[in-house]
Amino acid sequence: GAGVSQSPSNKVTEKGKDVELRCDPISGHTALYWYRQSLGQGLEFLIYFQGNSAPDKSGLPSDRFSAERTGGSVSTLTIQRTQQEDSAVYLCASSLWTSGGATGELFFGEGSRLTVL
Amino acid sequence: KQEVTQIPAALSVPEGENLVLNCSFTDSAIYNLQWFRQDPGKGLTSLLLIQSSQREQTSGRLNASLDKSSGRSTLYIAASQPGDSATYLCAVRPTGNQFYFGTGTSLTVIP
Repeated sequence: GAGVSQSPSNKVTEKGKDVELRCDPISGHTALYWYRQSLGQGLEFLIYFQGNSAPDKSGLPSDRFSAERTGGSVSTLTIQRTQQEDSAVYLCASSLWTSGGATGELFFGEGSRLTVL
Repeated sequence: KQEVTQIPAALSVPEGENLVLNCSFTDSAIYNLQWFRQDPGKGLTSLLLIQSSQREQTSGRLNASLDKSSGRSTLYIAASQPGDSATYLCAVRPTGNQFYFGTGTSLTVIP
């Protein structure tokens, strides 16, 4: 696609429910990142995927959070048993992995705003 | 761990003024530095990417400079316009996979 696409753009859920957030990166981008941005806060790294390598999950805040990336393209971030503190904007970004082994310019989607009541 | 600081946190200027936003980072071993803008309720829009071997990049009224040795980057905006009002973030990429973001400078351009 022309840009990074995220869905849903807004999600309101009740505490304790599971939610799935989807990210469709720019075609050909092998690096994919998930970040979280709480109200008035900076970006918090969650997880990173690069090709077929094992993902870097070091930023996931708890075992209620998980993510997968199917076929090296679309990624889904799943939050189980949501809590009110999970309310935030979840941002996905993708980047091209260059032959030098380093990523280039980072492009973001519009984000998924999650509200847990 | 890389730490990125942006000063000031907020800035208000009258339309037409030239302005400079600052970004500093603690570890000079970076691969690149990228400037973004974020409008309220939106994602981040890439403005400029500076590779470690470069000193500056320009796009329209924007000019970004990079001084790795001192751990600093500046974003210069010429002839500011109300449409430039947004939060501006810088991000550095060390020689790993992660990007480290500053907390941003909120810019208001007053008509």
